[in-house]
Amino acid sequence: DGGITQSPKYLFRKEGQNVTLSCEQNLNHDAMYWYRQDPGQGLRLIYYSQIVNDFQKGDIAEGYSVSREKKESFPLTVTSAQKNPTAFYLCASSLDRGVSNQPQHFGDGTRLSIL
Amino acid sequence: QKEVEQDPGPLSVPEGAIVSLNCTYSNSAFQYFMWYRQYSRKGPELLMYTYSSGNKEDGRFTAQVDKSSKYISLFIRDSQPSDSATYLCAMRETSGSRLTFGEGTQLTVNP
Repeated sequence: DGGITQSPKYLFRKEGQNVTLSCEQNLNHDAMYWYRQDPGQGLRLIYYSQIVNDFQKGDIAEGYSVSREKKESFPLTVTSAQKNPTAFYLCASSLDRGVSNQPQHFGDGTRLSIL
Repeated sequence: QKEVEQDPGPLSVPEGAIVSLNCTYSNSAFQYFMWYRQYSRKGPELLMYTYSSGNKEDGRFTAQVDKSSKYISLFIRDSQPSDSATYLCAMRETSGSRLTFGEGTQLTVNP
């Protein structure tokens, strides 16, 4: 089945620790995105990548880092610099290739909590 | 002021009711409009996708876009308990791939 797989489903972070959230897609999509969802705030864009080995900051990139070494993978690292990391993290992808009318499709998220 | 405004609810209706969900926006460059449905502890799934102004119907769902008023709506006819979820509006400009989301409306359909 084609889709977006996020792992783990639940993750706990200790103070001062970096954690990495996995996002893999087998849809052959070019673009991938990371969002953070908090109650009452909707989805906010952290980082996005439209092509391998390139990525752009979104609206709330501070305290996060990403890499895009393979087309199908876009891991997100939540660093110790992110002081309020507790949230639901969503990965999405879309078939861009310069055509703007492609919708984004989402994985089922990772819930990150602080120990 | 947020670029996209959406009433967070919660909205509670009896089974069979017609549901109206709405978003307003301020960016006149938005051309593509989407509605996503999100069940608890799941990712959003795309329900409706429209370009510019007009109506689009898919089964019990109708999406309306009024660009002159900067207002979009999603109507659900004959609502079912399985429609209970959070509904998110999203929109984007013609160029680029970034979406701007509303904060979502929580809907409960009571049997």
